[in-house]
Amino acid sequence: QKEVEQDPGPLSVPEGAIVSLNCTYSNSAFQYFMWYRQYSRKGPELLMYTYSSGNKEDGRFTAQVDKSSKYISLFIRDSQPSDSATYLCAILTGNQFYFGTGTSLTVIP
Amino acid sequence: DVKVTQSSRYLVKRTGEKVFLECVQDMDHENMFWYRQDPGLGLRLIYFSYDVKMKEKGDIPEGYSVSREKKERFSLILESASTNQTSMYLCASRSPGQITDTQYFGPGTRLTVL
Repeated sequence: QKEVEQDPGPLSVPEGAIVSLNCTYSNSAFQYFMWYRQYSRKGPELLMYTYSSGNKEDGRFTAQVDKSSKYISLFIRDSQPSDSATYLCAILTGNQFYFGTGTSLTVIP
Repeated sequence: DVKVTQSSRYLVKRTGEKVFLECVQDMDHENMFWYRQDPGLGLRLIYFSYDVKMKEKGDIPEGYSVSREKKERFSLILESASTNQTSMYLCASRSPGQITDTQYFGPGTRLTVL
């Protein structure tokens, strides 16, 4: 079993939709949770960072962590065509990073 | 803002050539990483370095070597390029213990080996 599992998609939604992106992880000791956004042919950029269960909001983006279920989510409200990208979840424990394979999202105008 | 730069955005090489990929970060980060990214496989760690002159093998080091002579620079070397090394190569840096302890990525180098 991989340490982090992420549905690769692709996911295609109309502009204005609410998007839900998800990852599951295997180790309850995992501590820090991140979401990266990667535009085509670019490097990943950090979007959200959290270390506790619950929700963290930043504009249209909400990161949610459920440690009891070992489940992390990224919600995008009022999605825009500029949100079209690949989204990677990542987890840090100690000095070890684990990355999901990424979910490709397309927001259709 | 953290800035991680990579020497080339696109590179085309021939089988058997020696290839150098350079990465520079400007934030005095101790840790640096090299990944390759392939469709369906995600990010795979090739090598990482905790500090100057230190290096550790990642998950797929075969066919690669690295050099870190200065703190800001981390080089990835393909001793004899092969077609299965065609990929997107991403460099990242990190300063452990920061409030936001994460990796910062460069723009990537898309390498094609013919």
